[in-house]
Amino acid sequence: NAGVMQNPRHLVRRRGQEARLRCSPMKGHSHVYWYRQLPEEGLKFMVYLQKENIIDESGMPKERFSAEFPKEGPSILRIQQVVRGDSAAYFCASSPSGFQYFGPGTRLTVT
Amino acid sequence: QQPVQSPQAVILREGEDAVINCSSSKALYSVHWYRQKHGEAPVFLMILLKGGEQKGHDKISASFNEKKQQSSLYLTASQLSYSGTYFCGTENTNAGKSTFGDGTTLTVKP
Repeated sequence: NAGVMQNPRHLVRRRGQEARLRCSPMKGHSHVYWYRQLPEEGLKFMVYLQKENIIDESGMPKERFSAEFPKEGPSILRIQQVVRGDSAAYFCASSPSGFQYFGPGTRLTVT
Repeated sequence: QQPVQSPQAVILREGEDAVINCSSSKALYSVHWYRQKHGEAPVFLMILLKGGEQKGHDKISASFNEKKQQSSLYLTASQLSYSGTYFCGTENTNAGKSTFGDGTTLTVKP
């Protein structure tokens, strides 16, 4: 049973470009979470999704950030017009309920 | 509401014990613990549900006190491999999102 998959593992974008981060949950898991982690800091919740539904997006910045979890395919976190402050590790986690299994993360660097 | 972890950091010698605490200002449904090594993803350790149970595997165990709204992680006879940052995640209901504490950095020295 494959774990949570994220790609790309590393992503470099220039300021103003778009970043698309993908997350494939573990088989059978219908809950997906996205977190952002700055160096030497904790995990900051961004958004919680179930298939085709955003359950809680209280941690998402109001502008430039969006997330989806379509019926088919991976969950996508999209960051438009990236700025240097968006540089961070972005982790997704999937869950059958309660505890979560984390993917390896995508390290976004904005130059 | 983000849970509060204490201490923020702890340094141990191999073989020593440590306790990491996680407290919430709200009633808890579940608490889960993770360990993250530098540059890696968090790894799930265990989950504790309402009922005050204590869980453990190997020399790492945890307790959950519903009344006090807190959980403690116990690391016994620490090994070098225990080094990392430990996060607690909490849920207030059985259908809500998890909220993580800021982490406790554990360093085990030879």
